[in-house]
Amino acid sequence: GAGVSQSPRYKVAKRGQDVALRCDPISGHVSLFWYQQALGQGPEFLTYFQNEAQLDKSGLPSDRFFAERPEGSVSTLKIQRTQQEDSAVYLCASSLIGSDGNTEAFFGQGTRLTVV
Amino acid sequence: DAKTTQPNSMESNEEEPVHLPCNHSTISGTDYIHWYRQLPSQGPEYVIHGLTSNVNNRMASLAIAEDRKSSTLILHRATLRDAAVYYCILRDPNNAGNMLTFGGGTRLMVKP
Repeated sequence: GAGVSQSPRYKVAKRGQDVALRCDPISGHVSLFWYQQALGQGPEFLTYFQNEAQLDKSGLPSDRFFAERPEGSVSTLKIQRTQQEDSAVYLCASSLIGSDGNTEAFFGQGTRLTVV
Repeated sequence: DAKTTQPNSMESNEEEPVHLPCNHSTISGTDYIHWYRQLPSQGPEYVIHGLTSNVNNRMASLAIAEDRKSSTLILHRATLRDAAVYYCILRDPNNAGNMLTFGGGTRLMVKP
């Protein structure tokens, strides 16, 4: 498992349902990011973890969105009471080092969430 | 965050070189220039990055203007598999999160 793994790949939720999206970053990577990508748009930043600490959650669109990374590895993005506007692809990325512009980020394939 | 400007789309013929431009006139002295691409139904994929000097790797070359206000991603021989959206991104090491801020990117279409 060399890359970032996300599950499920696809999720259909009824409006009002809670969902949990999982991200397994590359082992040893300090930084973990969540992005939301609407159809035809570039990814939009949601939140950032450095190890288990959530250092930036400024991109979370509402208090229905919650992310955690309790042991500094696997992360879960939870969306409560899903709405149709939450339909998007949710991308997870990890990076070896925290604050350094000289490193690349590795992205998972994303979870496509459709709220019906 | 410093912003980048890219053409919405470009076309290329297969096996010809492609030059993808990016303007970043408000770049700061410490910003790294990163390029990522996103193939259909995939997550973004790292292509190349640089600070001041031109860079080459197995995927592409990055040419950075002397004043750093623009850069060009060069694919030496486009293949059909290079059809993707290419994002030019400035990464600020002084930003604690150091997140990538994506714009609209350039959709590259490759014709056989």
